[in-house]
Amino acid sequence: NAGVTQTPKFQVLKTGQSMTLQCAQDMNHNSMYWYRQDPGMGLRLIYYSASEGTTDKGEVPNGYNVSRLNKREFSLRLESAAPSQTSVYFCASSEKATGVGNQPQHFGDGTRLSIL
Amino acid sequence: GIQVEQSPPDLILQEGANSTLRCNFSDSVNNLQWFHQNPWGQLINLFYIPSGTKQNGRLSATTVATERYSLLYISSSQTTDSGVYFCAVRLGGGFKTIFGAGTRLFVKA
Repeated sequence: NAGVTQTPKFQVLKTGQSMTLQCAQDMNHNSMYWYRQDPGMGLRLIYYSASEGTTDKGEVPNGYNVSRLNKREFSLRLESAAPSQTSVYFCASSEKATGVGNQPQHFGDGTRLSIL
Repeated sequence: GIQVEQSPPDLILQEGANSTLRCNFSDSVNNLQWFHQNPWGQLINLFYIPSGTKQNGRLSATTVATERYSLLYISSSQTTDSGVYFCAVRLGGGFKTIFGAGTRLFVKA
């Protein structure tokens, strides 16, 4: 029962470098999400994918791109990393794609990203 | 946009004490979850509770959607309950989830 798996767990980048964070879920969920968590704060939604083949912006999408590679995998890319993107990144998935009664989200363990 | 407010922001308990955490939200929601973020940073699902009451061991939660609040009860607290408790809500039939700032709980032995 792996659930939601994120790689890598830790990463240090230099300003301007690019990086892709990987996320995979084995629960056959339709919807997947990327969040960031800054110190002392709750999570903020970066992008989400309601179903395979679709992606949409969340609350803080600037500086990021995403790819829903297939039903299992949803990646987050930083094209030119900036110190303001230092954060912990969480991926999540949920069962239903649309409508009232979306099912609960299940989270990965996070990727701790530092940008110098 | 919707506002989610959690109280208290910080809480220190003696082991064995009971506590109530509150989550207020400013708009109608159809999806509310409570999470525990442990000291290692992992987010643990506690309850999916858009309305009504649920119990799981020493924890229980109640959401009164018409009055726009949810409560998380912790009874007989243990040191392992320490961490941050978040509520998260989702609007209508959409996907955008809003998290509160959390309640930081420390349980003393």
